[in-house]
Amino acid sequence: QVHLAQSGADVKKPGSSVKVSCQASGEIFISFAFNWVRQAPGQGLEWMGGVIPLVNRTNYAHRFQGRLSITTDESTSAAYMELSGLRSDDTAVYYCATGSSLLNVYSFDHWGLGTLVTVSS
Amino acid sequence: SYELTQAPSVSVAPGETARITCGGDNIGDESVHWYRQKPGQAPVLVISFDKDRPSGIPERFSGSNSGNTATLTISGVEAGDEADFYCQVWDTNNNAVFGGGTKLTVL
Repeated sequence: QVHLAQSGADVKKPGSSVKVSCQASGEIFISFAFNWVRQAPGQGLEWMGGVIPLVNRTNYAHRFQGRLSITTDESTSAAYMELSGLRSDDTAVYYCATGSSLLNVYSFDHWGLGTLVTVSS
Repeated sequence: SYELTQAPSVSVAPGETARITCGGDNIGDESVHWYRQKPGQAPVLVISFDKDRPSGIPERFSGSNSGNTATLTISGVEAGDEADFYCQVWDTNNNAVFGGGTKLTVL
């Protein structure tokens, strides 16, 4: 089994940045891909971006390009999501989700419990 | 960009069969994954690659995909199946795309 432990809830001012961590443990494979999915209050799931450490490839959803950075620390099996230029509509629960990237069209087999980020002045 | 269309809600009586659809242009050519999300919880994968059930998911959950519609079928619906369900594919730019979600209500 795979367990994804995410950092705790955070409150940020508009215009600032937030960095959320995701620590993987358990049956972790080198082919793992780390993705970030967010969910605004009462809304659906929105994919933000992902990284495949094995091939050092990162993809970002177009709407987040320029203010989103996804990184990994392979030595600790951790992934990080940093979002800058925060606005009130970035208030959401941010999920870390992983899957095996051996197939490009992989599923998100494991999910963290989510991190609530509130953007408020 | 690729778009997935789901009905906002589906209602069924206990013991009946629920069919939750996901529409997309030639979605039958794509691999579709389905997730269940109960209130206040993280999503859980229930069907991968159109029809594969992960370990721990009951046999009551099945999937199919053809033409412009993928379908998640839940047989013998139980009260505990009430949740939001999302379909997901990858587009040609290696971006994940989610459907808008369908709320399953057990009457």
